[in-house]
Amino acid sequence: NAGVMQNPRHLVRRRGQEARLRCSPMKGHSHVYWYRQLPEEGLKFMVYLQKENIIDESGMPKERFSAEFPKEGPSILRIQQVVRGDSAAYFCASSPTPDNEQFFGPGTRLTVL
Amino acid sequence: AQSVTQLGSHVSVSEGALVLLRCNYSSSVPPYLFWYVQYPNQGLQLLLKYTSAATLVKGINGFEAEFKKSETSFHLTKPSAHMSDAAEYFCAVSDRYSGGYQKVTFGTGTKLQVIP
Repeated sequence: NAGVMQNPRHLVRRRGQEARLRCSPMKGHSHVYWYRQLPEEGLKFMVYLQKENIIDESGMPKERFSAEFPKEGPSILRIQQVVRGDSAAYFCASSPTPDNEQFFGPGTRLTVL
Repeated sequence: AQSVTQLGSHVSVSEGALVLLRCNYSSSVPPYLFWYVQYPNQGLQLLLKYTSAATLVKGINGFEAEFKKSETSFHLTKPSAHMSDAAEYFCAVSDRYSGGYQKVTFGTGTKLQVIP
């Protein structure tokens, strides 16, 4: 059973561009969580999604950030008009049920020039 | 609100020595507590978790942690460090929210260096 897949692993964008980060959960997992790790900090919760539904987006910045988890395909974290402060590692995790262990992907490291 | 504090951003131990990584938590409800390990350029791997059963929790790779409510602590230990233990370790806490899902809050991490 493959683990949580994230791509790309590294993404470089210039200020003002859009960044799209993809997360494919483990097979059979319908619960996805996104976390952001700023340099020298721990992971911070951003959003929790079930298939086609956003359950908790309390950690998402109010502007420029959005997330989706469509019925088919990976979960997408989208950052519009990126700024240097968006440079971070973005981790996705998935779980088979909401109260189960979260399995983490390898992360996408976003660099904004 | 829940939070964790990890004391010491960097810890160095000699190979074969005791590993002790400190974590204190704050939670308004009985917490779930976790330790994760992160190797360079990889995702987080769960080492162990406390979910209100036994207070001494044994994990993978010889690690264990003890939940001490009176001290609000959940320190991670390993009797004898191995070179392969060099990594970053994160303590984390979660509460159960409505709907039963886990919203995990992480500490800032402790980088463990193992000296030959």
